[in-house]
Amino acid sequence: DPKIIQKPKYLVAVTGSEKILICEQYLGHNAMYWYRQSAKKPLEFMFSYSYQKLMDNQTASSRFQPQSSKKNHLDLQITALKPDDSATYFCASSQEREGNERLFFGHGTKLSVL
Amino acid sequence: GQQVQQSPASLVLQEGENAELQCNFSTSLNSMQWFYQRPGGSLVSLFYNPSGTKQSGRLTSTTVIKERRSSLHISSSQTTDSGTYLCAMDLASSGSWQLIFGSGTQLTVMP
Repeated sequence: DPKIIQKPKYLVAVTGSEKILICEQYLGHNAMYWYRQSAKKPLEFMFSYSYQKLMDNQTASSRFQPQSSKKNHLDLQITALKPDDSATYFCASSQEREGNERLFFGHGTKLSVL
Repeated sequence: GQQVQQSPASLVLQEGENAELQCNFSTSLNSMQWFYQRPGGSLVSLFYNPSGTKQSGRLTSTTVIKERRSSLHISSSQTTDSGTYLCAMDLASSGSWQLIFGSGTQLTVMP
C-alpha cells in the first residue's frame, strides 16, 4: 500500500509539449521533494518544499515549476519539453528535520520525450 | 569530480556470502543515508546514519564522519538482496533534506 503516490507511472511526450507529474503523500509529512534520475547519472536533487513553501531549488531551468495546492501535494509542471528531460522523476517526503527523520520516495514517473 | 564515490560499482555474490559496500565523500558533511533501489526503480530508505554503527537485520551501516566515509555490510546475502545500493550525503544541518547521491553499487546475488 504505497504512501507516496505518483501519477502516471509512465509518460511519453513530444518535444515542445507540456506535462504535469502528480505526487501525493499520505505519511503526514510537512516536507516534499522532487528528484530526477537520468540514464547513467546519479539521482539528482531538484526542489524541496516545506509547509507548501519552496525551500531549495537546484534546477537551473524555469521550465520546471513545482506546484503545491495542498500540504500533501507537490506536482511538477514541465514546459517546452526536450529529449534531455527524459528521466525518471521521483517524489519524496519527510518530516522537516528535527532528529532521525528519513526520506521516503515514491515509485517514480518515467518520462520519455520524443 | 563526483562528491560521493561508491565502490565497488558492481558486485556479484553467491547466496550466503557477505558484502561490504563503501561510500566516500569529497567534502565535509553533516549526515548521510543509505538507500536500496529495487530493480523496478523504487527506492527504500535503509539507514539514516550520521555517525557510528547501526544495524537492521542482516544489514549494518558504519559511518565515520570525520573521515568522510560510510560502509554498508550485508551478511548472509540472499537473492532478494539484488538491486542497487545508493548512499547519499546531506550538506545541511536542519530543515529539508538536500541529498547528493552516489552512482550506486549494483549487487547481484546468485542462487
